[in-house]
Formats: sequence, C-alpha cells, structure tokens
Amino acid sequence: SAVISQKPSRDICQRGTSLTIQCQVDSQVTMMFWYRQQPGQSLTLIATANQGSEATYESGFVIDKFPISRPNLTFSTLTVSNMSPEDSSIYLCSVDQVGTEAFFGQGTRLTVV
Amino acid sequence: ELKVEQNPLFLSMQEGKNYTIYCNYSTTSDRLYWYRQDPGKSLESLFVLLSNGAVKQEGRLMASLDTKARLSTLHITAAVHDLSATYFCAATSGTYKYIFGTGTRLKVLA
Repeated sequence: SAVISQKPSRDICQRGTSLTIQCQVDSQVTMMFWYRQQPGQSLTLIATANQGSEATYESGFVIDKFPISRPNLTFSTLTVSNMSPEDSSIYLCSVDQVGTEAFFGQGTRLTVV
Repeated sequence: ELKVEQNPLFLSMQEGKNYTIYCNYSTTSDRLYWYRQDPGKSLESLFVLLSNGAVKQEGRLMASLDTKARLSTLHITAAVHDLSATYFCAATSGTYKYIFGTGTRLKVLA
C-alpha cells in the first residue's frame, strides 16, 4: 500500500486568502486525486492530477479556484484560492495503485473565518 | 453517470446485534469498495470487491457484491463499540474515478 503524507493537517485561514496543500507519496504513481469532504458529507472528487499535463476537473470545480500542480510522480499540490467560509472542508489527497484500490492521505481540515 | 446510494444514513444499534448496510449503484461498475472513517480521520480501506458474488470477511464485518442487482452489502455481526464510525462505499466505472456513497454513520451502544 502507498503511504501518503499531506501537509498541513489543519489550518484556519482568513477569507480572501489562499492555502496550498501538499501531498507526498512514498512511491511513483501515475494518477493522484484531490477530494473535498464538506462537514458531515461524503467525498466529492475535485480533480485528477496527472504528471506532465493539466489536471482534469470535475463538474463544479474550476482551475482558477483550485489550481493543481503535479511536478513529478510522487508529489502534488492543491491550492484553495480566494477562500470563503463555504470552502471550509476536509481536503484529501488520494492515489490509486495499478487499479487496485485507492489510498488516502490523512486529510487537511480547513476552516475559513 | 454513475451514482452511488447508501442506506441507512444513520444507524444506532446495540452491542451484540447484527445489521446490514446497503450500497446501490446506478450503472455497471468494475469495482466496489468499502471504507471506514473515524471522526477527524482519513479513510481506511476495508474491502475491495472485484467480481459478481465476491464475499470478503474481516472480523465482524462481511462485504458482498451482486453485480446483477448493482448492490453491495456490508454486514455487521455481533456489533461492538469499536465499530462505531462512518462507513462509505465507493464504485468505479472503467476509470480510476471513485464515486462515493453518502456514508452510513454507525453508532454502537453499549
């Protein structure tokens, strides 16, 4: 199984600012995924981050709001831009190894005040 | 478009009792997963079900998959307090994209 490290684990941010979340994997993976989990809700896929190409965003999510970088096969970042209280959520990084199962980072709990 | 529904959303049960969580999905899916999430924690993989009729068991939990009915179940036998958590099912359809169910918040009462 993959070991995924996410930073920060939590943060409290002022509205209008941006936060960049980092995701480091202990092995090379083709695809990395970013999910959002709003309070008391299920997980919603934000985007798929592929190395060497633009991220693929799901309906309702746009690059200007959630820019993603994927500089190599073990690392990705998600930025939450121009934050508002509605962005308060847990953000999770995930990898799917060889089409077997997805593993998740410990998540970043974001509170926007 | 693949949709995944779980029921019940909330489940409060006594220790020692049995219960089943249901996961229905709307279109053909290649794989079905069950995850557990404790409050404030990330997701822990429980089961991966890859084919029709697949059954997997770990301790007091047993998961099964019926691809013809597009249904997976997570059965809890003789529940204990430590099983209190939120359980999610997720399905994929030909891609690496996971669609998660709404989650079932389980509380086991002593």
